[in-house]
Amino acid sequence: DAKTTQPTSMDCAEGRAANLPCNHSTISGNEYVYWYRQIHSQGPQYIIHGLKNNETNEMASLIITEDRKSSTLILPHATLRDTAVYYCIVRSQVSGNTPLVFGKGTRLSVIA
Amino acid sequence: GAVVSQHPSWVICKSGTSVKIECRSLDFQATTMFWYRQFPKQSLMLMATSNEGSKATYEQGVEKDKFLINHASLTLSTLTVTSAHPEDSSFYICSAKGRDRGSLGANVLTFGAGSRLTVL
Repeated sequence: DAKTTQPTSMDCAEGRAANLPCNHSTISGNEYVYWYRQIHSQGPQYIIHGLKNNETNEMASLIITEDRKSSTLILPHATLRDTAVYYCIVRSQVSGNTPLVFGKGTRLSVIA
Repeated sequence: GAVVSQHPSWVICKSGTSVKIECRSLDFQATTMFWYRQFPKQSLMLMATSNEGSKATYEQGVEKDKFLINHASLTLSTLTVTSAHPEDSSFYICSAKGRDRGSLGANVLTFGAGSRLTVL
């Protein structure tokens, strides 16, 4: 899987939008962008994934650049419970049951 | 839907003993499950891929005789840490492919809550 680059840490004020960037400049055509988060001492939680178009669900929005070399995860109204490590992962959909390879992620701290 | 359950959530054992961790898919069948290990302040590291009815595939550097994986049914995979030592103390997490999600469909992996092993 292609590597991703994320900032080590970010802070966000409670109630504001949290924008988490991710660079994946070597992404190939059949690779999707996945976002997971891990709250302290819990298993990772799926957030959203996308291929080319922007995606939105009840948790977040995913904005993917036209060249697909970077993306941004947006939490529209961050709460204290959104404090976690956020992982951006690229993974081939074609390869079927392949594991997720985790990088170091971004530690998001939501501050009251 | 797509719930993965792990048991126990935490375990403390003496050095030299063996510990079994169970990973169950509660509302779906999983032909493939993945086992990860996470040390403090580090990211998740893939240990092995568990395939129902066949031998597990281990990542480089993971001892297959020490970390025994059994995937005897479509809803259960077990990881046994044999002759555990303090350096095996870690957070062990399993995952499996759940149901299709979103407009793009399949291949979203669901994770268990993890099992924290402490070896004294």
